[in-house]
Amino acid sequence: QLVLTQSPSASASLGASVKLTCTLTSGRSTYAIAWHQQQPEKGPRFLMRLNSDGSLIKGDGIPDRFSGSSSGAERYLTISSLQSEDEADYFCQTWGIGSVVFGAGTKLTVL
Amino acid sequence: QVQLQESGPGLVKPSETLSLTCSVSGGSISDFYWSWIRQPPGKGLEWIGYVYYSGSTNYNPSLKSRVTMSVDTSKNQFSLRVNSVTAADTAVYYCARLPREVVASTLFFYVDVWGRGTTVTVSS
Repeated sequence: QLVLTQSPSASASLGASVKLTCTLTSGRSTYAIAWHQQQPEKGPRFLMRLNSDGSLIKGDGIPDRFSGSSSGAERYLTISSLQSEDEADYFCQTWGIGSVVFGAGTKLTVL
Repeated sequence: QVQLQESGPGLVKPSETLSLTCSVSGGSISDFYWSWIRQPPGKGLEWIGYVYYSGSTNYNPSLKSRVTMSVDTSKNQFSLRVNSVTAADTAVYYCARLPREVVASTLFFYVDVWGRGTTVTVSS
């Protein structure tokens, strides 16, 4: 079964950096994922698609402060120079044969 | 720039059918997969299913018996129907676009455009 695991919460200070993790099910370390951001009371927004080799393509208008990387079954989203508007839920998403799967999301608090 | 807009009743009675439509503007519905995703209050995202512009479909097994999706290329719209709804179907419903790409033997199938969402409440 294809499952994505995310920590429920994370926090970091204004202006600092934070690295969020999305872990793929054992045996699926070659899968690519996508990252999405959901600010409070808003719909989700596509941030980037991220391959297992760390190559990525970002959505339109996504700032350079947002980057991604990969290591084994883990996929990372790094946000640098944190701003107040980065306080949001971050979901990872992947796909299997005939299915689309979301992680449960990480709630990021900017202190 | 492609934009998606959901429309449909915000209130549905238990045991009745939920019907939503997603209008696609700024681009063609052709050559893409289109999905419905929902988010119950205070919870995460749940994939409902997707429909290809040709009309072929694939649904989440947990909802498959109650869900139907269709596409109308002449109107650049696609639709969702969920039968026999209960309070558990109360959620914000999002429509979304899924490009399907193969790059150097890697398959990418991800949401790259989201609608703004519409709230559906199931209550008598």
